[in-house]
Amino acid sequence: QQPVQSPQAVILREGEDAVINCSSSKALYSVHWYRQKHGEAPVFLMILLKGGEQKGHDKISASFNEKKQQSSLYLTASQLSYSGTYFCGTEDASYDKVIFGPGTSLSVIP
Amino acid sequence: DSGVTQTPKHLITATGQRVTLRCSPRSGDLSVYWYQQSLDQGLQFLIQYYNGEERAKGNILERFSAQQFPDLHSELNLSSLELGDSALYFCASSPHGSGNTIYFGEGSWLTVV
Repeated sequence: QQPVQSPQAVILREGEDAVINCSSSKALYSVHWYRQKHGEAPVFLMILLKGGEQKGHDKISASFNEKKQQSSLYLTASQLSYSGTYFCGTEDASYDKVIFGPGTSLSVIP
Repeated sequence: DSGVTQTPKHLITATGQRVTLRCSPRSGDLSVYWYQQSLDQGLQFLIQYYNGEERAKGNILERFSAQQFPDLHSELNLSSLELGDSALYFCASSPHGSGNTIYFGEGSWLTVV
């Protein structure tokens, strides 16, 4: 039931763009995206609901294709502060619980 | 500050012992989640409570148990501890219902020696 994330890891130079993908084998009600710095709590980025539109703030946005049970997180013009591990969490229509994927490690270098 | 409070922040204990981790959710949040994160691993869902009742269960060992009290705070009890239980344990809370943002506490670092 755990969603699949790709890539596992990515290294970017400042200013480059990245896409992180998340997919599930189950019909989804919502997809949650978080960023975690090492040893810290995951920080909420955005939530996408079934039937909702693409969301975004600043240079980070996300889309949710509920038919394909997939979501993508788009990071544009990356900054050093974007470094961390990105987790997608999926919630199906049966329960309220959110199951997180294995994470994508993103490193932004000068 | 997410508004979710976890205590203790750090805990070192010996194998075979029992510990209790405590969580106070954000004001007004009825759902409490517990997640386990081992070193450089993902967030493993353990259990969820909603308004005092167990709502969903994940990969929680039989040696572990949890409860949510009438004042909505929650405790995670870990017993017969093993070295492999060393991890960062997160509590998170959200308002009622699906599709709500989950807010994480700072976590409790457990080291079993």
